[in-house]
Parts: sequence; structure tokens; C-alpha cells
Amino acid sequence: GIQVEQSPPDLILQEGANSTLRCNFSDSVNNLQWFHQNPWGQLINLFYIPSGTKQNGRLSATTVATERYSLLYISSSQTTDSGVYFCAGTQGGSEKLVFGKGMKLTVNP
Amino acid sequence: DSGVTQTPKHLITATGQRVTLRCSPRSGDLSVYWYQQSLDQGLQFLIQYYNGEERAKGNILERFSAQQFPDLHSELNLSSLELGDSALYFCASRGETEDNEQFFGPGTRLTVL
Repeated sequence: GIQVEQSPPDLILQEGANSTLRCNFSDSVNNLQWFHQNPWGQLINLFYIPSGTKQNGRLSATTVATERYSLLYISSSQTTDSGVYFCAGTQGGSEKLVFGKGMKLTVNP
Repeated sequence: DSGVTQTPKHLITATGQRVTLRCSPRSGDLSVYWYQQSLDQGLQFLIQYYNGEERAKGNILERFSAQQFPDLHSELNLSSLELGDSALYFCASRGETEDNEQFFGPGTRLTVL
């Protein structure tokens, strides 16, 4: 099955800073999604982005499917952005999401 | 709020016991997925149901079983519980549009003592 690698594994920022999170896939993926897991454990959908670029407020994401990677940009970070960010995708006709190990973001005031 | 509900939020039980986790998908969604998040294994797919039928199986133990009922809610049954079964269990659902985006419930945190 596909392998999902996220980088960096941990990131500490000051409030107001920008960051870029990267997700690499070992093979072609479909249905790529980005999630934010908040400190209470909830998985929040950020983007469904199999290809192209999307923006939602201070967050944006870009997926280059042909090169098997996706990027999540967080601008003007806030303390509420803290948590763990996951990317996940499916392969072929399978509907099971394969997740990366996550990237822990800490935003300090 | 994703529209997917899960009960209970927390469950504490002892080794050897059996528990049932419940999930209600978003209104109209026919597909339900179960995932387990543990410290050592990360987030892993367990099983998928579509309109009452099992569609795909992942890393689900034989001690675990699931079903989807005619009203489309799903239950995950965990039996002969072991300490290692302590984890966060998520349910997700997907709509019938072209997008295959999965929406996750708030999870059930299971602690086996």
C-alpha cells in the first residue's frame, strides 16, 4: 500500500508567523484530504484537494498529483491553530484513507 | 460540526469486557467507515460499510466486528478487550456526490484498564 510521509514532524511558531506543511506519497493517490486534530482529539476537515489549489481564510493547500505531494500553508498563525495536522489519501479503487503520522504544530502567544 | 455523531464520547472498561460504539452518519450518507487511532499505530482504517453491506476490511482484529443497520447507523463491537485496544475510535461517512470526501465524527475514547 501507499506510504504517506509528512514533514516536518514538529513545528513551534510564534503567533503571526507563516508555515508550510508537506505531505509526500509513495504512489499515486486519489481523494487527498488535510485534517486538523485539535487538542480535544476531534478531526476537523480542512481541505479535500485531489489536485490544484484551494484557499480558506488563512489556510490554503496545493496538491501536485503528478509529483505525488501536497502542501498546506498556514498564514498569520494563531494559538488556535495548535494541534496535529494530518494528510491522507486513497489509492486506486479503494476508499480507505491512508494517513500520515501527523505534524504537531504549537503556536505560542 | 461534521454532522457525524458518535456515542459514547468516553468509555472506560476492564480487560476481557465487551463494548459497543455507535455512529450515526451525516443525513443521506450511505457509506460508513471506522478508524482506530492509537499511539503506536497511528490512524488506521478498520472497516467500511455501504448501505448495510460490508464493503472493505482493513486492519480489524477478529475480536472486533461491525454492522450497519437499515437506518444507516453503524455499531462497532469490541470484545475480549485488551490493554492495547485503548485508543480513539472514529467513524466517518461520505456522501454520494463525485467528491469522495470523508467527514469524521468526534470519536470515542476507549480506555481499557
